[in-house]
Amino acid sequence: QTVVTQEPSFSVSPGGTVTLTCGLSSGSVSTSYYPSWYQQTPGQAPRTLIYSTNTRSSGVPDRFSGSILGNKAALTIAGAQADDESDYYCVLYMGSGIWVFGGGTKLTVL
Amino acid sequence: EVQLVESGGGLVQPGGSLRLSCAASGFTFSNYDMHWVRQATGKGLEWVSAIGTAGDTYYPGSVKGRFTISRENAKNSLYLQMNSLRAEDTAVYYCARRGSWYNYYMDVWGKGTTVTVSS
Repeated sequence: QTVVTQEPSFSVSPGGTVTLTCGLSSGSVSTSYYPSWYQQTPGQAPRTLIYSTNTRSSGVPDRFSGSILGNKAALTIAGAQADDESDYYCVLYMGSGIWVFGGGTKLTVL
Repeated sequence: EVQLVESGGGLVQPGGSLRLSCAASGFTFSNYDMHWVRQATGKGLEWVSAIGTAGDTYYPGSVKGRFTISRENAKNSLYLQMNSLRAEDTAVYYCARRGSWYNYYMDVWGKGTTVTVSS
C-alpha cells in the first residue's frame, strides 16, 4: 500500500519562508506523479494552490511555489502571512486512475 | 460561476446505504472527470472515487465494492452510492472537478455534505 508522506506540522515566522514536502513511503516523487497542493482552513473546502508540480492555480499569489526537491515534491511559501496558517495537502496521481492524498501538514505562523 | 453543490448526507446506521448527489453548474459537466473526496473530523483528505467522461470509474481499496460513483450528464449531476456503511465512513464528502484532461489535479470543490454512520 502506497503511503504519501507529509510533515504533520510546521511553524514559520511572519515574513519567513517555509518548504513543505510530499514524499512516498517507497520510491521517489517525480513530475510523473503530477503533484498538486491544496490549502484548507477549518470548516472550509480545500483551495487549489499548485498543480503539475509547479503551476499556480488562478489567483494564487506568486509567493506560493512548487518544485521537486530531491526525491519529494515541495511547496514553498515565501513571505509567510498570518492567513497562511492552514492545513496543506498534497495529492499524487499514481496511475491507472488512482489518486492518493498525503496526511497533510498543519502550518502555524507565529 | 462554476459551482458544485453536494447534498444527500445524513445519519445512517452501520450496514446501511446512502446516496450522495453533486449538482454542477457554470461549466460543461460532460467534458470533465469528477471526484469524490472525504474528510473525517480532525483527519486529512482521502480520495474516494473518480469517474471519467466516458463513465470509467476508479476507487481506492477502502471503498471498492461498497461505493459506486456515477454521473448523469443530462442533469449535470454526479452521484455516490454508498452501501454497507461503516463507522469509519463518517466524514464530510466533497465533490471536486478534475482540472483538465491533460493534467491531474482538482480545480473546483464543493462545500461538502456530512455523512454520519452511527447506531
